[in-house]
Amino acid sequence: LAKTTQPISMDSYEGQEVNITCSHNNIATNDYITWYQQFPSQGPRFIIQGYKTKVTNEVASLFIPADRKSSTLSLPRVSLSDTAVYYCLGRTSGTYKYIFGTGTRLKVLA
Amino acid sequence: EAQVTQNPRYLITVTGKKLTVTCSQNMNHEYMSWYRQDPGLGLRQIYYSMNVEVTDKGDVPEGYKVSRKEKRNFPLILESPSPNQTSLYFCASSLKGTGTDTQYFGPGTRLTVL
Repeated sequence: LAKTTQPISMDSYEGQEVNITCSHNNIATNDYITWYQQFPSQGPRFIIQGYKTKVTNEVASLFIPADRKSSTLSLPRVSLSDTAVYYCLGRTSGTYKYIFGTGTRLKVLA
Repeated sequence: EAQVTQNPRYLITVTGKKLTVTCSQNMNHEYMSWYRQDPGLGLRQIYYSMNVEVTDKGDVPEGYKVSRKEKRNFPLILESPSPNQTSLYFCASSLKGTGTDTQYFGPGTRLTVL
């Protein structure tokens, strides 16, 4: 069974870069690693996904080392509106069963 | 608009009274899934479905049933709810459930079992 581990919470100030790391084992070999963002009283929504090395989109970057046993979500220059819970997600190898991390609660301070 | 809908959004019930939470998606997705979210435990998968008439257990299936008679609908059934099933429930769908898919989530159903 896949297992993911993330820090429970992080605080940051506006304008800083925030890095959140997720450790995961037994993620399916050919799968992407995906990160989601969740605001209170809403369902999670997709932020970014990648397979190896570095992926960047308009809101975040994702770094995945060669062994794929961890991934780091990087949020550049966070704002108050980035206050949310961030989850990494993977699929257990050999199944269609998905495992979310316990989430990292990011609080951005003014 | 592409979306996943759930009903009801809020439900208070009593122990043992059967209930169904509906989930529907309009994206022609094959894969659908139910999660529950509890403080400190994150999201845990209850059941998932690869396609019509194909369902399988997630990590926490005890006390729940599902059915997938139509591609767009994936109801969650609690035959005899208990207080430990008080939780926030999310339905999600994705194209095929493969590791490159993006899951789309519904708005959530907050269930309280007294």
